Amino acid sequence: QSALTQPASVSGSPGQSITISCTGTSSDVGSYNLVSWYQQHPGKAPKVMIYKVSKRPSGVSNRFSGSKSGNTASLTISGLQAEDEADYYCCSYADKRTYVFGTGTKVTVL
Amino acid sequence: QVQLVESGGGLVKPGGSLRLSCAASGFTFSDYYMSWIRQAPGKGLEWVSYISGTDDIIYYADSVKGRFTISRDNAKNSLYLQMNSLRAEDTAIYYCATLPDYYFNYWGQGTLVTVSS
Repeated sequence: QSALTQPASVSGSPGQSITISCTGTSSDVGSYNLVSWYQQHPGKAPKVMIYKVSKRPSGVSNRFSGSKSGNTASLTISGLQAEDEADYYCCSYADKRTYVFGTGTKVTVL
Repeated sequence: QVQLVESGGGLVKPGGSLRLSCAASGFTFSDYYMSWIRQAPGKGLEWVSYISGTDDIIYYADSVKGRFTISRDNAKNSLYLQMNSLRAEDTAIYYCATLPDYYFNYWGQGTLVTVSS
């Protein structure tokens, strides 16, 4: 149950697009289309932004999109806004019916 | 509206025990898998355990297996986490969350557990 690997930080200017990668193995990301992404502002509980690789819960902006290729999933935020500045975590269903989170990425809006 | 409220956190000595509770409202509790997720201070999220709506399916992270026990009382709309043999590395904010379809949908605000002598 090793954590999925994410870049520690990603930054972009308002209006730009950024992509956060999430690399796992054939025991998690690579075997299941069950990757989800969470946004967490300081001192707050996480909020789901994407589930099942690319599905958006109702109420989540369509500026957020997800994809997957092999053992790596990605979250893209387009039209970056100040309110998008937060920590982002990926999560995957894994072998032995468990879940594993990513290491987390701090997104900074310049 | 869905509400999840955790309680039971606090300061406990290494080797001690603590029982966390999560009171749910605003949805049909028994229909949902539920999960505990924790976050050490300044660190990332770590999945801890989940339980099915009828409590016949239960899984744990290796880091807590044999020490923590998840349970639920559907009549009371409550989720629990019994934590025994606590270690310093169990210090974290513990969140309960709904697990509807392989993702964590609604989250509580968390309860802080500190393991220290």
